[in-house]
Amino acid sequence: QVQLQESGPGLVKPSQTLSLTCTVSGGSISSGSYYWNWIRQPAGKGLEWIGRIYSSGSTNYNPSLKSRVTISVDTSKNQFSLKLSSVTAADTAVYYCAREDRSAWYFLDYWGQGTLVTVSS
Amino acid sequence: DIQMTQSPSSLSASVGDRVTVTCRASQSISSYLNWYQHKPGKAPKLLIYAASSLQSGVPSRFSGSGSGTDFILTITSLQPEDFATYYCQQSYSNPPYTFGQGTNLEIK
Repeated sequence: QVQLQESGPGLVKPSQTLSLTCTVSGGSISSGSYYWNWIRQPAGKGLEWIGRIYSSGSTNYNPSLKSRVTISVDTSKNQFSLKLSSVTAADTAVYYCAREDRSAWYFLDYWGQGTLVTVSS
Repeated sequence: DIQMTQSPSSLSASVGDRVTVTCRASQSISSYLNWYQHKPGKAPKLLIYAASSLQSGVPSRFSGSGSGTDFILTITSLQPEDFATYYCQQSYSNPPYTFGQGTNLEIK
């Protein structure tokens, strides 16, 4: 059974960089069948797609965040990571990592439970 | 970006009821439409992919239909564990993927 688990600081100061890691177990992040995604949900709001990475390191980002986002992958640790720079209170949210099946129809079939990141001084 | 509009935003129903949730895309997305169930503090769960394909392990009381711009999630014979928030998501264009605003299904 594939499992994803987010980890990282729960509190980040304004203007600093938010850094999160997603650890994948029960499957290899190097599998060619999947993308690895980050999604977030501010309190009381809907889901916002942040971006994704393929095991080769190829990325796609949400244009609304592209200037501040970097997603990277470490296949030796079966992990992928999110960095979001110059954060403000608007970046306070629950952050989820998720696996995306890219075989034919693109869907997010496994998600982590999410981690709350608060931006505050 | 493709905008996804769900209706209703909230819904009250009783155990055993049949409910439908609608999702409309701002442009045609063929059948690149997925449905998720989300409970507080838990990982979102994929229910339906490609508009009408039931994800493995999901009960058959869940079904999806539609193509182009209009889609429906139907839950027949509601069970207590079905009370949650439901989201649609388009995977037609990337970037970015976009989600509906969610439908909160509550117990009447």
